[in-house]
Amino acid sequence: SAVISQKPSRDICQRGTSLTIQCQVDSQVTMMFWYRQQPGQSLTLIATANQGSEATYESGFVIDKFPISRPNLTFSTLTVSNMSPEDSSIYLCSCTGVTEQYFGPGTRLTVT
Amino acid sequence: GQNIDQPTEMTATEGAIVQINCTYQTSGFNGLFWYQQHAGEAPTFLSYNVLDGLEEKGRFSSFLSRSKGYSYLLLKELQMKDSASYLCAVTGGSTLGRLYFGRGTQLTVWP
Repeated sequence: SAVISQKPSRDICQRGTSLTIQCQVDSQVTMMFWYRQQPGQSLTLIATANQGSEATYESGFVIDKFPISRPNLTFSTLTVSNMSPEDSSIYLCSCTGVTEQYFGPGTRLTVT
Repeated sequence: GQNIDQPTEMTATEGAIVQINCTYQTSGFNGLFWYQQHAGEAPTFLSYNVLDGLEEKGRFSSFLSRSKGYSYLLLKELQMKDSASYLCAVTGGSTLGRLYFGRGTQLTVWP
C-alpha cells in the first residue's frame, strides 16, 4: 500500500496569483497522477508525471497553466498558475499500486 | 475514446439494498474500480474487478461483465454513513494506472 500526503490541505488565493501543491508518497512509485475535481463533478486527469521526464498533459490542460515537477520517485508538485475563479477545485494526486490506485487527501483551492 | 456512464443520483432507506450500475465503452480495458467519496474528502477504494463475476467484501459487492461493458456495485444493509458519491473508474489504454472516471452517483440514505 501507499500513503500519500498533500500540502496545503486548503487555500484561498487571489486571482492572478499562483499556488504550488506538494504531493509526498511514503514509497517509491513510477507514475504519479494529478486530478482535478470541480464542484459537483467527477475527477478529471490533468497530467501524468514520470520521474526524469516531462509530464504528459491531457487535452485541455497545458504546461504553462499547470507546470509539474517530479524530482524523484516519492515527490511531485503541481502549480496552478495565474489563477482565476474557474480554477476553484479540489486537486488530488494519485499513484498506482498492484490492484489499487491511491489518492492523497486533496487540496481544496478557492480563488477569489 | 472513453465513455463511462452511471446514474447521477439514487436514494434508498436504511437497511435496504441498492445497486449502482456502471456501463463503459473504452478503447482498452484492464480493470474496473469502485470508489466511495464523501463530500469534501478524497475517494476511498472499495473494489477492483478484473475478471467477470461477483466480488464480495462485507456489505459491498461488485460485479463485472466484460463482454457487456457493465458493472454494478451492490450495497446491502444500508446505513446513513453510506450516503456518499460512488465513482466508477476504468483502467486501460496505453498509460498504466491511468483511470477514467464516470461522473459519480450521489447516493442518499434516508432513515
